[in-house]
Amino acid sequence: GESVGLHLPTLSVQEGDNSIINCAYSNSASDYFIWYKQESGKGPQFIIDIRSNMDKRQGQRVTVLLNKTVKHLSLQIAATQPGDSAVYFCAEKSITSGTYKYIFGTGTRLKVLA
Amino acid sequence: DTEVTQTPKHLVMGMTNKKSLKCEQHMGHRAMYWYKQKAKKPPELMFVYSYEKLSINESVPSRFSPECPNSSLLNLHLHALQPEDSALYLCASSQGLVGISYEQYFGPGTRLTVT
Repeated sequence: GESVGLHLPTLSVQEGDNSIINCAYSNSASDYFIWYKQESGKGPQFIIDIRSNMDKRQGQRVTVLLNKTVKHLSLQIAATQPGDSAVYFCAEKSITSGTYKYIFGTGTRLKVLA
Repeated sequence: DTEVTQTPKHLVMGMTNKKSLKCEQHMGHRAMYWYKQKAKKPPELMFVYSYEKLSINESVPSRFSPECPNSSLLNLHLHALQPEDSALYLCASSQGLVGISYEQYFGPGTRLTVT
């Protein structure tokens, strides 16, 4: 099930089930998005990206879906494993002063139950 | 290779100390970033260097001073920090060329504690 903690929403799934992590973004003109996985005490790890000219992109066990109409992004993880337990962030590219930067979502903690 | 390295891994400093964080990448990336991350929060952008020039400063206090000696290195000089500056400091890099690749890669971070 999904619950909202004090600062970080948490999604708990059974090992072997599929996980869906959602993200809403703010700028309808954003044209590029990244999903990151961050394990405790480590830096964010690049998982998968998608450009706005695509609706879907698949990687190894992961799929990102982009719905530009409602400014929504989702990360699907197939056959979730204990090693998938982490905090997941989406990030949208933004341009300021001719340089691009990334605006991060609040993050979702994924807990995989054995 | 998508490796960004950061040193030190951990740093404890007093409020009167001066210290530096270091970041290095050898991917030929021309944009480098400093972020600050507090527990249970997303990374918060501090600075962006593009082609060795400071292009974004997100209103960071002057006690944090970035430096980009060359296209592979990024430093963050720290002076007279406050306990609330304790956080995980992350470095990241990306190609910096519009339209080619926007992938951004992070280093493992420096865990900073200010006493």
